[in-house]
Amino acid sequence: GAGVSQSPSNKVTEKGKDVELRCDPISGHTALYWYRQRLGQGLEFLIYFQGNSAPDKSGLPSDRFSAERTGESVSTLTIQRTQQEDSAVYLCASSLVYGGEAFFGQGTRLTVV
Amino acid sequence: GIQVEQSPPDLILQEGANSTLRCNFSDSVNNLQWFHQNPWGQLINLFYIPSGTKQNGRLSATTVATERYSLLYISSSQTTDSGVYFCAVERRRGSTLGRLYFGRGTQLTVWP
Repeated sequence: GAGVSQSPSNKVTEKGKDVELRCDPISGHTALYWYRQRLGQGLEFLIYFQGNSAPDKSGLPSDRFSAERTGESVSTLTIQRTQQEDSAVYLCASSLVYGGEAFFGQGTRLTVV
Repeated sequence: GIQVEQSPPDLILQEGANSTLRCNFSDSVNNLQWFHQNPWGQLINLFYIPSGTKQNGRLSATTVATERYSLLYISSSQTTDSGVYFCAVERRRGSTLGRLYFGRGTQLTVWP
C-alpha cells in the first residue's frame, strides 16, 4: 500500500480481555517497529522486526505482550489479559531497511475499561 | 540507551514568527529524524537527516553529528504548524541497532 496501515483505528475492551492489533507496513519494507504512546507522553519502543525475526524484544513491558510478523509483511501485536495501564495509542512504523527512514501508521487507540 | 533531549518543551508563537527547535543526543547516531505529530496524532515525516542540512519549503534542519545536536527551523509559522515536534535517533552501534529513541517533544502552538 501507499502507507503504513493499522487496524483497528480505535479499540475499547474490557479489563482482562485479549486484544490483537494489526499493522500492514509499506510494501517491500523489511524493518517494522511497534511503539506505544500514552496520553501526553513521548513514544515508548516495544519491539522491532527485521524480516520476520525480532532481534530486540526488550521493550515489551510484560509477558502479556507478544508480537509476530509473517511473510515479511503483516505484523500483529497481541496483549493478553488487558489492564487499564495498557490504554494508549499503539503506533507501527516501517522502513526499507533498518536504520533507514521510518514511516508511521495512524495508530490504534486502545482503551481498557 | 541513548538520551535525547529536546528544547524548548513548549513554544507559543504568533503567526508569521520564526522559531528554532533543538535536539541534543548523548551518543553517536546513524539515523536522525524529525517528525510533526498533528492534533489527530499522526506522525508526519519532516526530515531524515543524520548529518548536514536540508530544506523543505518553510522548514529546514541541520544536524551536526560530531557535536551531537540537530536543529529544526520553522520560518513564517502558520497555525497549521501547531502540534508536537519529535526528534528521534538510532544508535550507530550496539544491540539496539534499529530502535529509534525519541525525545519528549516540543509542543508548538501558533496563534493567528
